[in-house]
Amino acid sequence: EPEVTQTPSHQVTQMGQEVILRCVPISNHLYFYWYRQILGQKVEFLVSFYNNEISEKSEIFDDQFSVERPDGSNFTLKIRSTKLEDSAMYFCASNPGLFTGELFFGEGSRLTVL
Amino acid sequence: DAKTTQPPSMDCAEGRAANLPCNHSTISGNEYVYWYRQIHSQGPQYIIHGLKNNETNEMASLIITEDRKSSTLILPHATLRDTAVYYCIVRVAGSGANSKLTFGKGITLSVRP
Repeated sequence: EPEVTQTPSHQVTQMGQEVILRCVPISNHLYFYWYRQILGQKVEFLVSFYNNEISEKSEIFDDQFSVERPDGSNFTLKIRSTKLEDSAMYFCASNPGLFTGELFFGEGSRLTVL
Repeated sequence: DAKTTQPPSMDCAEGRAANLPCNHSTISGNEYVYWYRQIHSQGPQYIIHGLKNNETNEMASLIITEDRKSSTLILPHATLRDTAVYYCIVRVAGSGANSKLTFGKGITLSVRP
């Protein structure tokens, strides 16, 4: 069964460093998303991406964050200068773009900022 | 999207049916009810969705009341692997179907041996 894959599964970084989280969405899906979940808290929406541009973003998704689909398969989330509070699980999801829009999530990338 | 209300937790015995309730009294006519679950810290997993008719798939059944103000997700024979947080989410279909999902706190289901 097709699945969304994410790398790395866990990354430890120093505060202020740049981090890139990578996702390979399900082939032929049209919509892509990043969510995050701080330990013990809700799953929070960050950004959605369609037709090579951001279609929606949350207040969390500030100038420190950016997304890109550089080669038609990968979908990346970059955090320019990490802060302690960026420590979280980051989930990528994709959606085939059908009428009812089910999202398919990856297993997540755990980011630890020291 | 309409707000949903779920109890914080419930448990059931392995092999028995788990009935997870959800209230969505402000649901609009064009809004679907979706259920997702999250096992431990894995990515959320789509389970089922419906508009007004009851739905069944290989994972679960979804029963929506006639007035659509509440619904119940039924896991017919719960296993230990069904222990997870279950999210009931109301969301428009059509052109809005590809917009973000908004997750609440969900209901934590604990399946006991």
